[in-house]
Amino acid sequence: DGGITQSPKYLFRKEGQNVTLSCEQNLNHDAMYWYRQDPGQGLRLIYYSQIVNDFQKGDIAEGYSVSREKKESFPLTVTSAQKNPTAFYLCASSPPLRLAVYTGELFFGEGSRLTVL
Amino acid sequence: RKEVEQDPGPFNVPEGATVAFNCTYSNSASQSFFWYRQDCRKEPKLLMSVYSSGNEDGRFTAQLNRASQYISLLIRDSKLSDSATYLCVVSHYSGGYQKVTFGTGTKLQVIP
Repeated sequence: DGGITQSPKYLFRKEGQNVTLSCEQNLNHDAMYWYRQDPGQGLRLIYYSQIVNDFQKGDIAEGYSVSREKKESFPLTVTSAQKNPTAFYLCASSPPLRLAVYTGELFFGEGSRLTVL
Repeated sequence: RKEVEQDPGPFNVPEGATVAFNCTYSNSASQSFFWYRQDCRKEPKLLMSVYSSGNEDGRFTAQLNRASQYISLLIRDSKLSDSATYLCVVSHYSGGYQKVTFGTGTKLQVIP
C-alpha cells in the first residue's frame, strides 16, 4: 500500500540534544512538507521541498534543518537551538501540480510526538 | 488577523442534530479550499474539497462564498463517530509551490 511513514511515533529528548524525525513516502510525490502542531495553534509549516536537493524555509524554520537527497525521503532534524521543541510533528506530501486529477489535498503521515524532558 | 479563522468551539450537539461550522480566509488569491477532519492525537485526513458551486457528500455539505471569503461545513444527522476537530484549509499556488494554510480547527463533540 502506498503511503507516508513517519518514525518514531513517540520520542523523548533531553534538552540540548538534536533529534531526527524520519519521513518516507512511496507515493511518487514530488513535494514534501513538515508541519508542527501545538494545542490550539493549528498546523504551522516548518520546511517544504518541491524536488530532490531543494528545500525552502516555511514560517517557523528556526531551530530545524532538513535534507532531500532522495525523492522518497525528507528527514527533519530538531536541533538544540529550537527553544520549545515539544510538539506533534506531521510530514505530508503532494503529487505534481501538473496532475490533472489532483485536487490539491495533502497526504499526511501518522505523525511523530516529540517530548523534551 | 489570521489567514484562516475558525470558531474553536467546542460544539456539543446531541446525536441526530444538524451542526454548521464557518471559516473565513483573508487571502483573496486563495484557489483551493478543503475541510479536513482530525481525531485526537492523529493526523488530519481530507474530509472534502470545497467547490464554488457547493458540494455534498452524504451527510456533509460544503459551501464557498468567494466574494465574502467564507467557507462553511454542514453536518446533518450527527453521529457519535463525527466527534473530531474539523480544520478549514485554503491553498494557493505561487512560484510552482502550493502554499497551504490551516485554520486552528473547530472541535465537535456529539453527545448520546
